[in-house]
Amino acid sequence: AQSVTQLDSQVPVFEEAPVELRCNYSSSVSVYLFWYVQYPNQGLQLLLKYLSGSTLVKGINGFEAEFNKSQTSFHLRKPSVHISDTAEYFCAVTRTGGGNKLTFGTGTQLKVEL
Amino acid sequence: DARVTQTPRHKVTEMGQEVTMRCQPILGHNTVFWYRQTMMQGLELLAYFRNRAPLDDSGMPKDRFSAEMPDATLATLKIQPSEPRDSAVYFCASGLRDLNTEAFFGQGTRLTVV
Repeated sequence: AQSVTQLDSQVPVFEEAPVELRCNYSSSVSVYLFWYVQYPNQGLQLLLKYLSGSTLVKGINGFEAEFNKSQTSFHLRKPSVHISDTAEYFCAVTRTGGGNKLTFGTGTQLKVEL
Repeated sequence: DARVTQTPRHKVTEMGQEVTMRCQPILGHNTVFWYRQTMMQGLELLAYFRNRAPLDDSGMPKDRFSAEMPDATLATLKIQPSEPRDSAVYFCASGLRDLNTEAFFGQGTRLTVV
């Protein structure tokens, strides 16, 4: 089975500052990794995904994440955040061949302040 | 614009009543998921269908919950009888197994049982 740990439940940051949201996973088999964003009263929207190839993946809204197999991490980063990035961010994992069945972390609330 | 459609968006019901939530997956998708989101438990997988057949419903309380796919365009999640502890946001998601990529989420049904 796979599991995901998001150590930070809340991350406050000032507008235009950089941010990193941490995600670590555990799995005995190879995995695919995802970051989703949830705006208030909305469903989850895919930000980016790692399936294979380059370990640095770029997503929507200026976000990127780096897959680090040795550290079993998939941290999400943005060099300069905006107020509109205020949302909850979920890291998720599925084993390769797992057919989209995702295991989610507990989420990180990103709060961007002026 | 393909999207997962969930109805109703909000539901308030009295304890003991039957609740039915509906989901229309994206046309052509062959996997459907039901997730429940609460503050305490985060996102929990309740049930998982592939090609309309239930593959995993281990996350679902069997005594009161049931999930079905009468046809490829409709998935239902029923709770009978409902209890206050069932209050949560229920998300449906669909995906394409053969591509083994992300799941696409609906906007959720916010259920309140009083």
